[in-house]
Amino acid sequence: AAGVIQSPRHLIKEKRETATLKCYPIPRHDTVYWYQQGPGQDPQFLISFYEKMQSDKGSIPDRFSAQQFSDYHSELNMSSLELGDSALYFCASSSGTGGKTQYFGPGTRLLVL
Amino acid sequence: AQTVTQSQPEMSVQEAETVTLSCTYDTSESDYYLFWYKQPPSRQMILVIRQEAYKQQNATENRFSVNFQKAAKSFSLKISDSQLGDAAMYFCAHSGTSGTYKYIFGTGTRLKVLA
Repeated sequence: AAGVIQSPRHLIKEKRETATLKCYPIPRHDTVYWYQQGPGQDPQFLISFYEKMQSDKGSIPDRFSAQQFSDYHSELNMSSLELGDSALYFCASSSGTGGKTQYFGPGTRLLVL
Repeated sequence: AQTVTQSQPEMSVQEAETVTLSCTYDTSESDYYLFWYKQPPSRQMILVIRQEAYKQQNATENRFSVNFQKAAKSFSLKISDSQLGDAAMYFCAHSGTSGTYKYIFGTGTRLKVLA
């Protein structure tokens, strides 16, 4: 079965640089979620999209923005990177018919130096 | 606001034995979903089991079962016949049914399986 795809899997950036993370949800899933998991922490919700519209926003810094495109893939744009942005970023997708169970991608490991 | 609490930072179990991981939550909603996810060293988040709050019957998936006590807001995970591959971090998560269904996670329980 198709799974959630995230790219890149690993990313190294310098402070103040910009990063773009991509997510390709499971086909026919209408909702995408982004989570941030710091070292030794639980995942924290950042933002979600339903049918290409932002549906909820969590503890996402103003330096971050995201969108969902017409083909349902989503991108998380992170600017003015800080050391504290180093984390594992998960994308998850769900569909209304699946009772909103979220299926997670493998994550993108971002290291900011 | 919803909260999820996992009070056991770490648990150990002998191979082939049974272990129970605890989770409590707080919510003002009457209908919601609860989940257990497994995160092995690869850090992939893998769905273990899910429970719908309106269903009284406890969910079961092979060796994994839950004890869902709605009044007590408790949702524990029982792993039977533990295997070495069960060693991982386990996260309990809550999702509401209004709004966006975002997950609120607990802080996790690290499970060690001893051979």
